[in-house]
Amino acid sequence: GDSVTQMEGPVTLSEEAFLTINCTYTATGYPSLFWYVQYPGEGLQLLLKATKADDKGSNKGFEATYRKETTSFHLEKGSVQVSDSAVYFCALRLYNFNKFYFGSGTKLNVKP
Amino acid sequence: GAVVSQHPSRVICKSGTSVKIECRSLDFQATTMFWYRQFPKQSLMLMATSNEGSKATYEQGVEKDKFLINHASLTLSTLTVTSAHPEDSSFYICSARTQQNRGTYTDTQYFGPGTRLTVL
Repeated sequence: GDSVTQMEGPVTLSEEAFLTINCTYTATGYPSLFWYVQYPGEGLQLLLKATKADDKGSNKGFEATYRKETTSFHLEKGSVQVSDSAVYFCALRLYNFNKFYFGSGTKLNVKP
Repeated sequence: GAVVSQHPSRVICKSGTSVKIECRSLDFQATTMFWYRQFPKQSLMLMATSNEGSKATYEQGVEKDKFLINHASLTLSTLTVTSAHPEDSSFYICSARTQQNRGTYTDTQYFGPGTRLTVL
């Protein structure tokens, strides 16, 4: 079935370190891929998305590239800040289907 | 941006009572709303999908008589946990999306901040 797997956390980094959070997916069709972020006490917010293979989504210094050959959508940021501390969720949606599949979330802690 | 609110943000109730959680889209019309349950350190588990004016579609393993969903208008959906028990304690999250032209769905879901339910 369709599913998303992402690396377990928590991930603890120092400020200005490089971030990678791995995400791989299994899908029967051609999904759109998403990263959502959940800050403490808030709802999930869309961070970035990619709708087809080789697309790169980017926002707020975060990037992720839709890799069909490796079924991956890893999240990266070159220099993290304390304010990036949050839980990050990878998700997929099959084309025109009314349903999203989420990974288990990865908590990021950035220390000053 | 689009805002989705949930009320209450936190509720504590006794076992056997029913609890209603509201989900509202404040500045857009939500043709579809989703209800998720989030367990600690786990993913969001989709419970049901509701389209305005229609019966909700429940995911496998979710008891429809236990979790009553009503989507009476384009801005409001409610989840009622009936005869709640301690195992129903969880974080419940709603999200909403709009429909584009020609029946296709937008990619973007807008999430509410969640409701923490504790059943004693």
